[in-house]
Amino acid sequence: ETGVTQSPTHLIKTRGQQVTLRCSSQSGHNTVSWYQQALGQGPQFIFQYYREEENGRGNFPPRFSGLQFPNYSSELNVNALELDDSALYLCASSFSGGTGELFFGEGSRLTVL
Amino acid sequence: AQTVTQSQPEMSVQEAETVTLSCTYDTSESDYYLFWYKQPPSRQMILVIRQEAYKQQNATENRFSVNFQKAAKSFSLKISDSQLGDAAMYFCAYRSFEYGNKLVFGAGTILRVKS
Repeated sequence: ETGVTQSPTHLIKTRGQQVTLRCSSQSGHNTVSWYQQALGQGPQFIFQYYREEENGRGNFPPRFSGLQFPNYSSELNVNALELDDSALYLCASSFSGGTGELFFGEGSRLTVL
Repeated sequence: AQTVTQSQPEMSVQEAETVTLSCTYDTSESDYYLFWYKQPPSRQMILVIRQEAYKQQNATENRFSVNFQKAAKSFSLKISDSQLGDAAMYFCAYRSFEYGNKLVFGAGTILRVKS
């Protein structure tokens, strides 16, 4: 059973650029969610995808968008990057109707200069 | 909206001793999950223990146990026989039964283990 994997692990962008982060869900999981974790803080929920549709969103602007693919992998896209977007981005997968546990990847560290 | 509060930014414990991390939460729901996650420097969130709100019995996983007080909306984590490998950031998290996989996290507690 493979775990949740994320890529890239680190990346540096400049203000105004766009970034795409990728996530492969744990085998058998059909739901993926994304979190933003600023340095020294707890993760904040960005959004969730189930059956390729967004079905829950946190307090993030529309320039944060995502996709879920038929194989349940996922992408997080952020347009018009701002300095405050610098953070660790965590992907978590789970099985809808399961025990409630989310399984996390190791995250992608984004630095915006 | 649900909120989770961890009032201890940092805690220290001597190896082999016991430490308790505090967490309180606010919700109007009656059914929900509560979790403690550990985040070591490797960054990956690792589930330590989970509790379903409808279960009165406190969850236990080896050296880790919780004190779940539903009426007080309190969910503390006790780590017994602390080990050097327990050193990490610990997050308390809330998940609604009904509203998807959104986890609401506290700000975290850094646990340091002294040898």
